[in-house]
Amino acid sequence: DTAVSQTPKYLVTQMGNDKSIKCEQNLGHDTMYWYKQDSKKFLKIMFSYNNKELIINETVPNRFSPKSPDKAHLNLHINSLELGDSAVYFCASSQRGRDNTEAFFGQGTRLTVV
Amino acid sequence: AQKITQTQPGMFVQEKEAVTLDCTYDTSDQSYGLFWYKQPSSGEMIFLIYQGSYDEQNATEGRYSLNFQKARKSANLVISASQLGDSAMYFCAMRVWNTDKLIFGTGTRLQVFP
Repeated sequence: DTAVSQTPKYLVTQMGNDKSIKCEQNLGHDTMYWYKQDSKKFLKIMFSYNNKELIINETVPNRFSPKSPDKAHLNLHINSLELGDSAVYFCASSQRGRDNTEAFFGQGTRLTVV
Repeated sequence: AQKITQTQPGMFVQEKEAVTLDCTYDTSDQSYGLFWYKQPSSGEMIFLIYQGSYDEQNATEGRYSLNFQKARKSANLVISASQLGDSAMYFCAMRVWNTDKLIFGTGTRLQVFP
């Protein structure tokens, strides 16, 4: 019944590895997002997709590649992981065109690069 | 450019007392929405309350109310009758009309003591 679910919840990996985080929403929303929360708790948008189309790419390094196979899924693949990539990554969804609609967030994926 | 400012890194409040968490915003757009989210220590992002820029009345949701002062560009969250479970990080956020992202403030850590 989880509205926005992302997996895994924790991810520990070595520098240089490639990893993916998966996200699925069952709310029927047409817009999905990836946010990054750094060690100081600051939340910043990375990407947004609307109906599988990339809408926002906030100058994220191209080692990060989002993929949206359909409007209910938005995965995040990260190549050549670096220590600075350690953070909590949140997937979220909302309905475009309804500005009073909140974004629903997944539970977050805590990525630790060692 | 849009910006959210939360000037209180931390706040303390005694149980059953009311507390106000400050939020100011900056935008030149006339249409926007303001949101408050709660992030407990477990990490999830929980939507609390929404205020639209054209709403004439302050939003309320249970013990949460939003003190919206448009001329001052402030959207303070008021929590009445604080409970121990209210201890968490609180984030103010803004979405400008018809954009696909929420812009977050740096958050306020609220601690409720008995």
